[in-house]
Amino acid sequence: GESVGLHLPTLSVQEGDNSIINCAYSNSASDYFIWYKQESGKGPQFIIDIRSNMDKRQGQRVTVLLNKTVKHLSLQIAATQPGDSAVYFCAENMGQEGAQKLVFGQGTRLTINP
Amino acid sequence: DTGVSQDPRHKITKRGQNVTFRCDPISEHNRLYWYRQTLGQGPEFLTYFQNEAQLEKSRLLSDRFSAERPKGSFSTLEIQRTEQGDSAMYLCASSLTGTANSPLHFGNGTRLTVT
Repeated sequence: GESVGLHLPTLSVQEGDNSIINCAYSNSASDYFIWYKQESGKGPQFIIDIRSNMDKRQGQRVTVLLNKTVKHLSLQIAATQPGDSAVYFCAENMGQEGAQKLVFGQGTRLTINP
Repeated sequence: DTGVSQDPRHKITKRGQNVTFRCDPISEHNRLYWYRQTLGQGPEFLTYFQNEAQLEKSRLLSDRFSAERPKGSFSTLEIQRTEQGDSAMYLCASSLTGTANSPLHFGNGTRLTVT
């Protein structure tokens, strides 16, 4: 089916360590993927995106990797900080003509331990 | 604050009542989206507008739901005859066309509780 999922529902890391959050998707025709961060009581916050013609994209302390062969997406967060604690969602865009009809995974809760 | 604004933040209503939520998108964004998020799940697409035109509706959007964006700026989402299953966070988001895959910017949602 067409779905986006996550390998782990929770992840705990020590402050300062790097974290990797994984996501599997099933629609090989998807061409745009996004990572969102959601803190308690707030809406999803855009982190980084990647198009299917790329396999890596870097932002500030974050890197997204896309492996189209195995339909896998990951988010790497470097030097984690307490403020990184949140639920992280990957999403794939099923919309046409730039419309953002996103299909989200269930999310991974990242906890940063002091 | 130049982000997406939603009102109210919380709404508690009794089953069978009608409720209406409002969303003010980022001012230069011409696309506006409604999503619904239940506890422990990711958001699910409901509908979207380009300017005042509603271009797509999900099958999740039953006939008790109606969304409008009359002047191409703010939008309202109305739920008639609410049911307990309507309890969820209703998220509004906006984006800009003209830029391929312009990312969505979400508001902080309206949390609806139907008792």
